[in-house]
Amino acid sequence: KNEVEQSPQNLTAQEGEFITINCSYSVGISALHWLQQHPGGGIVSLFMLSSGKKKHGRLIATINIQEKHSSLHITASHPRDSAVYICAVRSTSGSRLTFGEGTQLTVNP
Amino acid sequence: ETGVTQSPTHLIKTRGQQVTLRCSSQSGHNTVSWYQQALGQGPQFIFQYYREEENGRGNFPPRFSGLQFPNYSSELNVNALELDDSALYLCASSAGQTGGNTIYFGEGSWLTVV
Repeated sequence: KNEVEQSPQNLTAQEGEFITINCSYSVGISALHWLQQHPGGGIVSLFMLSSGKKKHGRLIATINIQEKHSSLHITASHPRDSAVYICAVRSTSGSRLTFGEGTQLTVNP
Repeated sequence: ETGVTQSPTHLIKTRGQQVTLRCSSQSGHNTVSWYQQALGQGPQFIFQYYREEENGRGNFPPRFSGLQFPNYSSELNVNALELDDSALYLCASSAGQTGGNTIYFGEGSWLTVV
């Protein structure tokens, strides 16, 4: 079992829909990152969380430390949101980031 | 624009050859990490450098090595290339070692080994 599990692996939505991507992890963490990767390969950091909730525009990220679970929500989705969304955690015992396998999101017009 | 640049963006090497990939970080970013991302998978941690010393390593053989320089640039070297080394190599930098810092990724270097 991977230390970081994401669901779903693939998600197709219609423009305007509310989207949720989930991330569960099995280790103690100092921070959790939500990242966006476009087909060209570059990765952009969307959020860094250690507790609670953060909001940026149409994106909302939440984390429940006790349940070792985080969610990324996209409101009023748009085709330009189509990308791979990756959850990554930095454990309390080390310096590395451990990544989930990613969720491929496709938003159709 | 993340302020992290990688070069080259794409390259093709032959099995057995050696490759050097380069990363230039933002000024003040004294921590740099390298990741390997195979097609369709999440990135895998190779190693991390902090103030020019390696301070963490993933499950990669010694033929993967690195350097970090005082000018916030770094290198990933891979010797004796194998076909399975074909992947996207990502560099990420941050200010400080702790988990509480934003991480900035480069666009990556696509390596194909034939």
